[in-house]
Amino acid sequence: EAGVTQFPSHSVIEKGQTVTLRCDPISGHDNLYWYRRVMGKEIKFLLHFVKESKQDESGMPNNRFLAERTGGTYSTLKVQPAELEDSGVYFCASSRDAGTYNEQFFGPGTRLTVL
Amino acid sequence: DAKTTQPNSMESNEEEPVHLPCNHSTISGTDYIHWYRQLPSQGPEYVIHGLTSNVNNRMASLAIAEDRKSSTLILHRATLRDAAVYYCILRAAYSGAGSYQLTFGKGTKLSVIP
Repeated sequence: EAGVTQFPSHSVIEKGQTVTLRCDPISGHDNLYWYRRVMGKEIKFLLHFVKESKQDESGMPNNRFLAERTGGTYSTLKVQPAELEDSGVYFCASSRDAGTYNEQFFGPGTRLTVL
Repeated sequence: DAKTTQPNSMESNEEEPVHLPCNHSTISGTDYIHWYRQLPSQGPEYVIHGLTSNVNNRMASLAIAEDRKSSTLILHRATLRDAAVYYCILRAAYSGAGSYQLTFGKGTKLSVIP
């Protein structure tokens, strides 16, 4: 079974530019999550999709961030325009079900550097 | 979410047992205790979880105090591959918006000495 994949692995952009991160969850996993770790801080939750619907987007920092999951398969996270404080590692995770007992499977992350 | 407290770092010799503690004195009766770890340059990975009883799986054991205010993750024989940051996370057993996210703290950085 293929794991969660993320693309690109690294992205270096200049302040004000746009970047789109992609996540492909494990096949059959309806639940998809985005997290990030910025500036050496703790890993923080961004949002949770159930299929194509946003279940919880309470962690999205501001309206420069837009997440989509058209068709309930892969997801994209767009940052527009990127700011210096957006630099960090963005993780995607997926799970078959969303209950407390269900482990989340994480991808390797996308390292974003905003110059 | 209830808060967890873990030591910032620990060291272990290779092939020796490791006991990673976690305090969660404000845990509620329906909170599950989950452990994840993050190996260098990788995303977090699930290790184990439990509610009240001790749990064992192929990766580790979880010992939960009788009052549930603390727990210990036990790696029976540490290997170099076990060097990682270990996170103790409480997850509430209820449904509804906001209940499915994982809340990561600083975790414990485990170093394994050859």
